[in-house]
Amino acid sequence: DAGVIQSPRHEVTEMGQEVTLRCKPISGHNSLFWYRQTMMRGLELLIYFNNNVPIDDSGMPEDRFSAKMPNASFSTLKIQPSEPRDSAVYFCASTETVNSGNTIYFGEGSWLTVV
Amino acid sequence: DQQVKQNSPSLSVQEGRISILNCDYTNSMFDYFLWYKKYPAEGPTFLISISSIKDKNEDGRFTVFLNKSAKHLSLHIVPSQPGDSAVYFCASNSGTYKYIFGTGTRLKVLA
Repeated sequence: DAGVIQSPRHEVTEMGQEVTLRCKPISGHNSLFWYRQTMMRGLELLIYFNNNVPIDDSGMPEDRFSAKMPNASFSTLKIQPSEPRDSAVYFCASTETVNSGNTIYFGEGSWLTVV
Repeated sequence: DQQVKQNSPSLSVQEGRISILNCDYTNSMFDYFLWYKKYPAEGPTFLISISSIKDKNEDGRFTVFLNKSAKHLSLHIVPSQPGDSAVYFCASNSGTYKYIFGTGTRLKVLA
């Protein structure tokens, strides 16, 4: 069974450019997360969707960041305009439902470098 | 305010010996705990978990111990193998969507 699929795996872009990261959650999972990993802050939750609806976007750092989930099998995280401090690894994760005893499963990550 | 702490950023262990990775938490509402392993350039992969109604869970070479009174959990790997070299994250959950992760411990198993 396929896991969480993210694309692109690596992205190098110039400051000011738009970046779009994509995620396909595990089939049947109705909860989707976007995390960002940096050396300074570790793994931080950016946004959480339940049944395609954004429930908590308080972790989105600025208005330059936006995320959508148009259907149960696809989500995007967009940064516009991108800045060097956005350079990080962005992980998408999914789980069946959020209650105790459920494991969240991560994708391979999208490694973003903004120069 | 870090609710989940992994105070050892790195650990080196000889192959065949026991690796013990530690994690402390502050929120008594946490009732589910997970360990993830992460290799370079890959995403975290789920390793083992434990519910707060238990104090031990075992899966092959991996055992997680939970001490609720001390708000402490540990992951034991016996025997350690070179392929276990990775970064290990502990995570806690209280039945909501908020999984709180530690900052990770880098384990190096020496051959």
